[in-house]
Amino acid sequence: SQKIEQNSEALNIQEGKTATLTCNYTNYSPAYLQWYRQDPGRGPVFLLLIRENEKEKRKERLKVTFDTTLKQSLFHITASQPADSATYLCAPGGSYIPTFGRGTSLIVHP
Amino acid sequence: SQTIHQWPATLVQPVGSPLSLECTVEGTSNPNLYWYRQAAGRGLQLLFYSVGIGQISSEVPQNLSASRPQDRQFILSSKKLLLSDSGFYLCAWSGEGGVTGELFFGEGSRLTVL
Repeated sequence: SQKIEQNSEALNIQEGKTATLTCNYTNYSPAYLQWYRQDPGRGPVFLLLIRENEKEKRKERLKVTFDTTLKQSLFHITASQPADSATYLCAPGGSYIPTFGRGTSLIVHP
Repeated sequence: SQTIHQWPATLVQPVGSPLSLECTVEGTSNPNLYWYRQAAGRGLQLLFYSVGIGQISSEVPQNLSASRPQDRQFILSSKKLLLSDSGFYLCAWSGEGGVTGELFFGEGSRLTVL
């Protein structure tokens, strides 16, 4: 069956460091991968989308990579801040019905 | 601009009671509509999606149902709630045809079944 897997353990990092979150997928060939941010008690908010023919996408302090050989996307936040603390979700896009990974909780310590 | 409204924001219901959650989208036409549930400490579970009026696809068999009586209205219902129905329910929309599949979520409805 199709699966989206994210590290379920929380990622704790120090302010100013780069946070790297991983999204692995199996039995998929998505045309896009999307990343969302979810704060407690709120709906997810779209951050970035990367297409399968793009190796890398950037938006301010955010960077996403998409490796179709490894079936993996990496999500980086550079110069992390406590305000970046949230749960980050990935989901396939394009023609697929959007199902989500469980998300990875990021905690940035001051 | 497009907006999505979802209500009620919070509700507490006894086991066996009915449920109706409503979601409306403004500023767009023919959206794809989705209902998700997020149980405590769990991921987002897709419950239903709709690509048009009266067209509902169910992803998970359960005692919930969905309806789309109008283009921009999506309703989640149950005739008899179970304890396991507790959770955070999220409505979302994406553009017609799902070119990018980017989803826009409502603020959610937190349901507690006692």
